[in-house]
Amino acid sequence: GQQVMQIPQYQHVQEGEDFTTYCNSSTTLSNIQWYKQRPGGHPVFLIQLVKSGEVKKQKRLTFQFGEAKKNSSLHITATQTTDVGTYFCAGPEDNFNKFYFGSGTKLNVKP
Amino acid sequence: DAGITQSPRHKVTETGTPVTLRCHQTENHRYMYWYRQDPGHGLRLIHYSYGVKDTDKGEVSDGYSVSRSKTEDFLLTLESATSSQTSVYFCAISGGNNQPQHFGDGTRLSIL
Repeated sequence: GQQVMQIPQYQHVQEGEDFTTYCNSSTTLSNIQWYKQRPGGHPVFLIQLVKSGEVKKQKRLTFQFGEAKKNSSLHITATQTTDVGTYFCAGPEDNFNKFYFGSGTKLNVKP
Repeated sequence: DAGITQSPRHKVTETGTPVTLRCHQTENHRYMYWYRQDPGHGLRLIHYSYGVKDTDKGEVSDGYSVSRSKTEDFLLTLESATSSQTSVYFCAISGGNNQPQHFGDGTRLSIL
């Protein structure tokens, strides 16, 4: 069945360091969405990428969608303590109704 | 945040009892989803709905049933709760399966 894996599972960084999480799907996704979940909170939508090879930026966050639409990455430049949380990629399988979330990357930022 | 209300927010119950969780939305969104979140497993889709009385199974649907008799309400039922169903349950809504999802605050369910 469909699998969406993320690596790493955990990442501990010093404030100011960069951070990257990678998302890989076993099948093609029609789009990729990224969510952030703060400790004790619910997932919150960050961004959606639709086109093959698309790159989008939100301030210090850079999102990429792979050419084959099976992988994606989120890069945070100069992390801050407010970046703490778990980052999930997610997306609907191409031509199907099923929606899958990645396993998530938990980011901890030390001040 | 989108108008999504989950109830109850916390529940403790015993093995073998029936449990119903409710998700209510005020956004008139077509799609509604139920997920469970467990440590090490991320978010796993239980069931989803793409319209009134239109539902389909997700990846972990065994032991769960759902109903959607109105656009605004999506109910998740555990017919006979088991300890393995102890989890945090999230409801989400979206305008379409390709569109972003907006989540409720979650229900923490403990089955003893």
